Amino acid sequence: QSALTQPASVSGSPGQSITISCTGTSSDVGGYDYVSWYQQHPGKAPKVIIYDVTNRPSGVSNRFSASKSGNTASLTISGLQAEDEADYYCESFAGGVYVFGTGTKVTVL
Amino acid sequence: EVQVAQSGAEVKNPGESLEISCQGSGNDFANYWIGWVRQMPGKGLEWMAIIYLRNSDTKYSPSFQGQVTISADKSIGTAYLQWRSLKASDTAMYYCATTRNGNYRWDFWGQGTLVTVSS
Repeated sequence: QSALTQPASVSGSPGQSITISCTGTSSDVGGYDYVSWYQQHPGKAPKVIIYDVTNRPSGVSNRFSASKSGNTASLTISGLQAEDEADYYCESFAGGVYVFGTGTKVTVL
Repeated sequence: EVQVAQSGAEVKNPGESLEISCQGSGNDFANYWIGWVRQMPGKGLEWMAIIYLRNSDTKYSPSFQGQVTISADKSIGTAYLQWRSLKASDTAMYYCATTRNGNYRWDFWGQGTLVTVSS
């Protein structure tokens, strides 16, 4: 089970939109509609911000949206804010086990 | 709401054994899965293993099969992660997370247990 592939870093100015990709295979991302995204601030535990490809848990800003096409999932952050600066990880169910993405550091310029 | 608490930081010598714990509380917690995630210093998240509290059904990620053992005590809502012989490369933060059976997202996370293995 190899890690899903994400860009190492993405940056944007306040107010801009950025998109993070997450590429897997037909055994994980492409095979199930169980892709989640997690936000992790330094020294903190991860927090789920998207689940089941497109759903936001209660309390998560609607500036976060996501989608999936084939073996690639994407997370978009709209109206980028300073508090969005963090590491972001995609994750997929892979038939009994789970696999994370390699992680993307988002920098707000 | 579910709450999750992990055991405290550990400092061990190479070759020693170790067990860390993750205790959850909440309504119907026996119907939850608990999983362990490793984060090595400055690195990303890695799934290690998951266990279903109700019947101790376990799943290991291939990279960690045979390297660690996950177990649980349903009566106290606690999952454990055990090493028989630690290596310096096991130095990491270990998080536990939980999800209700039937869900595929990890909603509730522990605060993390820092394990340092050094001679």
